Amino acid sequence: EPEVTQTPSHQVTQMGQEVILRCVPISNHLYFYWYRQILGQKVEFLVSFYNNEISEKSEIFDDQFSVERPDGSNFTLKIRSTKLEDSAMYFCASSAATGEGEQFFGPGTRLTVL
Amino acid sequence: GESVGLHLPTLSVQEGDNSIINCAYSNSASDYFIWYKQESGKGPQFIIDIRSNMDKRQGQRVTVLLNKTVKHLSLQIAATQPGDSAVYFCAENKGSGTYKYIFGTGTRLKVLA
Repeated sequence: EPEVTQTPSHQVTQMGQEVILRCVPISNHLYFYWYRQILGQKVEFLVSFYNNEISEKSEIFDDQFSVERPDGSNFTLKIRSTKLEDSAMYFCASSAATGEGEQFFGPGTRLTVL
Repeated sequence: GESVGLHLPTLSVQEGDNSIINCAYSNSASDYFIWYKQESGKGPQFIIDIRSNMDKRQGQRVTVLLNKTVKHLSLQIAATQPGDSAVYFCAENKGSGTYKYIFGTGTRLKVLA
């Protein structure tokens, strides 16, 4: 069964450093998403991506964040200068259709900012 | 504002009993709802969805009920099994070109042997 994969599973970084979280969506999917989940809190939408551009983003997704699909398989989330409050689980998701379609989630990357 | 919330943070049920997990949403424009299951250390896993033009939808051992009048969503799990132990999230989507899911806080389901 196809699945979304994410690397690394756990990333530890110093405050102010740049991190790149990587995702490989399901191969025939066209829509890609990043969500985050701060420990003990709800899953929050960050950004959606379609046709090589951002479709929608939340207020969390400020100038420190960027997304990219550098090739035909990877989808990345970059945080330019990490802050302590960026510590969270980051989930990548993909879907064949947006809106009413199921979004398939990856296992997540736990980001710890020290 | 938009919000999706859950009434109970933890639900404990005996193995074999039915479970009911509830969710309230406040955005009357939402027209698509999903239940996800999240096991420890894993990402959310799709369980079942329902569109706003339906009141009920059944899957394998799961049923989702939607009451648009009171903006309430519930997930019923029949014959709860130990493998059902997880955190359950409801999520909503407005459709109409918006892509994001708005998730609820989550309910932890504990299945007692």
